Amino acid sequence: DIQMTQSPSSLSASVGDRVTITCRANQSINIYLNWYQQKPGQAPKLLISAASTLQTGVPSRFSGSGSGTDFTLAISSLQPEDFATYHCQQSHNTLYTFGQGTKLEI
Amino acid sequence: QVQLQESGPGLVKPSETLSLTCTVSGGSISPHFWSWIRQPPGKGLEWIGYIYYRGSTNYNPSLKSRATMSLHTSTNHFSLSLSSVTAADAAVYYCARLDGAVGYFDLWGRGTPVAVSS
Repeated sequence: DIQMTQSPSSLSASVGDRVTITCRANQSINIYLNWYQQKPGQAPKLLISAASTLQTGVPSRFSGSGSGTDFTLAISSLQPEDFATYHCQQSHNTLYTFGQGTKLEI
Repeated sequence: QVQLQESGPGLVKPSETLSLTCTVSGGSISPHFWSWIRQPPGKGLEWIGYIYYRGSTNYNPSLKSRATMSLHTSTNHFSLSLSSVTAADAAVYYCARLDGAVGYFDLWGRGTPVAVSS
């Protein structure tokens, strides 16, 4: 299996802050890395695919970067609705695996 | 727009088989890949498997062959059976649409919680 490790596991921030979340794979996954946002009691929502492709309707304050084994999700200016848990997921092979999640808190 | 809705029993006894259904509304099962993903309480997401609209399947080996997925195109739904459940199978189960090219899950159901207890 390709193991995905996110850091930090939790993060405290304030409205207006810029934050970054890191996702690391234990082997190269090229750019096959996707990011999801999950709010309490809701299903995950796809934010970014293929490391950096923003999904339609996702605010431009979200951005993704990286390739190989190291990836970053950045939120440029936190809004109240951004406080949630973020998950990365690799799709380099068809044994899809997720990171453990990063909880972004006020 | 396309929506997914999971349904099934909220409680299953240990050693029994869990059966869940995902109904696709506002769109067709064809020509997509469909997946099940679960999330144990307070934990991360685990991909269970996918089924292609033509019927081919791929499962997570960690489930040790306990998972079976099936399609019902005439009624626009797909199903998951998970046999010999234990407490470790307690989770919120999501159905999702899988993009077969890049491998992301672009559409999710709301999820259905499943508890395992006698």
